[in-house]
Amino acid sequence: QQKVQQSPESLSVPEGGMASLNCTSSDRNFQYFWWYRQHSGEGPKALMSIFSDGDKKEGRFTAHLNKASLHVSLHIRDSQPSDSALYFCAASPNNNAPRFGAGTKLSVKP
Amino acid sequence: GPKVLQIPSHQIIDMGQMVTLNCDPVSNHLYFYWYKQILGQQMEFLVNFYNGKVMEKSKLFKDQFSVERPDGSYFTLKIQPTALEDSAVYFCASSLDRGSAETLYFGSGTRLTVL
Repeated sequence: QQKVQQSPESLSVPEGGMASLNCTSSDRNFQYFWWYRQHSGEGPKALMSIFSDGDKKEGRFTAHLNKASLHVSLHIRDSQPSDSALYFCAASPNNNAPRFGAGTKLSVKP
Repeated sequence: GPKVLQIPSHQIIDMGQMVTLNCDPVSNHLYFYWYKQILGQQMEFLVNFYNGKVMEKSKLFKDQFSVERPDGSYFTLKIQPTALEDSAVYFCASSLDRGSAETLYFGSGTRLTVL
């Protein structure tokens, strides 16, 4: 069973709109979360981490973590065509390598 | 930002042959990783390496796989012998330290095709 589940598989939003991505860990040991973004032909690049309950905001990106349910979300406001990419949620237990979810493919339509 | 270089970008080999994938990690990083991505989707963890030793590996890291970083040169993933199911994009990553707070920096991947 995969440790990290993501939804939806794909998402299309208009330029300027809000994109919301979801992620859940099925293992209570995996409670340190990251969001990575992968553009076509490149490797994943870290967007942000979140380890504590609540919200964390970095520019247009806001992550929200509920540690009790091991659910994390990523919200992208004012989405741009350049935000079109594959978004991975990654989770890890302390001091171990992160495990990635299957990804959410985001398309932002001009 | 910090760069991880992977060589080659593409590799085509016949089933049963040996292949070595090379990674030049960020210069001051100490922890190294390999991930496998199939069909542009799921990123599967293979192995984590530090100070000459495998720290952690997954079930996908078969006996045919090995990693090393001789004398601080390339961090390599060797597959011997290769199988058809080894066809994938392999990503190398490095981090400064161990721990969940550490950012992993990824290379652009090596696309391996096993015929």
